Amino acid sequence: QVTLRESGPALVKPTQTLTLTCSFSGFSLTTSRMCVSWIRQPPGKALEWLARIDWDDDKYYSTSLKTRLTISKDTSENQVVLIMTNMDPVDTATYYCARCQSSGPIDYWGQGTLVTVSS
Amino acid sequence: DIQMTQSPSSLSASVGDRVTITCRASQSISSYLNWYQQKPGKAPNLLIYAASSLQSGFPSRFSGSGSGTDFTLTISSLQPEDVATYYCQQSYTTPLTFGGGTKVEIK
Repeated sequence: QVTLRESGPALVKPTQTLTLTCSFSGFSLTTSRMCVSWIRQPPGKALEWLARIDWDDDKYYSTSLKTRLTISKDTSENQVVLIMTNMDPVDTATYYCARCQSSGPIDYWGQGTLVTVSS
Repeated sequence: DIQMTQSPSSLSASVGDRVTITCRASQSISSYLNWYQQKPGKAPNLLIYAASSLQSGFPSRFSGSGSGTDFTLTISSLQPEDVATYYCQQSYTTPLTFGGGTKVEIK
């Protein structure tokens, strides 16, 4: 079955860089049209899509955050990494990684990891 | 970016009521519209994809319709276990975008 799990620090300080890792199983990111997205959700607020990496290594980013985000994949390890620079308290949120298909839905989600930005 | 606007932002209905949630896209997205159900403290779950296809595991009281810019999620007979926040999302083009969510409660 398809599973995804996010890992990374629970607490980061303002201006620091956040590195999150998504470890997945049950599918391959070498399969045509397969992709992994990162989505976040501040406490009590709506979902916000952040970035996506496709099977062919195409990468897409949120317009408002693209200068701060980098997404990459390690297909041999079945991992996707998201790096977000210059963290701010407004970036406090639960961060989800999820499987998707190009032009298709986000069909499997990780459980999410809460990241708090505070000094 | 394509903006997704949901209405209402919240609703309260009785068990057995028919519930309708609307999602509007700022430009045509054909049928590249998905709905997610998120229960408190949990990750979202895919509910409806391609505007009207019900994801496996969800009961048939959930249905989706629409194309172009206007879409609807309907719960034909609201049940207590349907208490959740529902989000629409377009997969027509990147950047992907979500609606603001509709919180459904039982009256």
